[in-house]
Amino acid sequence: DQQVKQNSPSLSVQEGRISILNCDYTNSMFDYFLWYKKYPAEGPTFLISISSIKDKNEDGRFTVFLNKSAKHLSLHIVPSQPGDSAVYFCAATGVGGATNKLIFGTGTLLAVQP
Amino acid sequence: KAGVTQTPRYLIKTRGQQVTLSCSPISGHRSVSWYQQTPGQGLQFLFEYFSETQRNKGNFPGRFSGRQFSNSRSEMNVSTLELGDSALYLCASSLQGAPGANVLTFGAGSRLTVL
Repeated sequence: DQQVKQNSPSLSVQEGRISILNCDYTNSMFDYFLWYKKYPAEGPTFLISISSIKDKNEDGRFTVFLNKSAKHLSLHIVPSQPGDSAVYFCAATGVGGATNKLIFGTGTLLAVQP
Repeated sequence: KAGVTQTPRYLIKTRGQQVTLSCSPISGHRSVSWYQQTPGQGLQFLFEYFSETQRNKGNFPGRFSGRQFSNSRSEMNVSTLELGDSALYLCASSLQGAPGANVLTFGAGSRLTVL
């Protein structure tokens, strides 16, 4: 049973436009959410996180939105750059993030076209 | 500072063999977690070690085991390999901090192919 779902395996956007990556979760005990980015032949790198007490967190070009009632979060990248092309994983955990047992989605491959 | 180092990066084994993978965390990081990445399954949590003790375990059979040494380095072992064990095995380390502060830093992974 996939508790964290990324239903879009891939997404293609033009450079300079907005990229929106979506993630749904089923476990209402999740209270901390993270996004990781992964380039080929490298390990995932942390992008941004959000606690369930917030509905938005922003870091430069990256903004994560959390809709607890819909059990949905999204990552917005504005403006998108070719270097953003990578696989993006959303992840969730409980206990306020004080655990390293993260439940990951299956990832979305983002391709930013020049 | 040096990142998370995993060895070997690539290895090929045959069914029934066993394999040991090694992970050196970032200096000062006391927690080490292991994840398995397979196509279509994303990253799945294997186990977490902190101060040489297994703190959390995922839903994997007992063929998967691990340990952590006093210097925080960690190893994971898979015995009686099956074809389905072919995957990228990722190690991640983190500080033990306040809730919400445990951002994982991943290594590049060990790519295991079972023939």
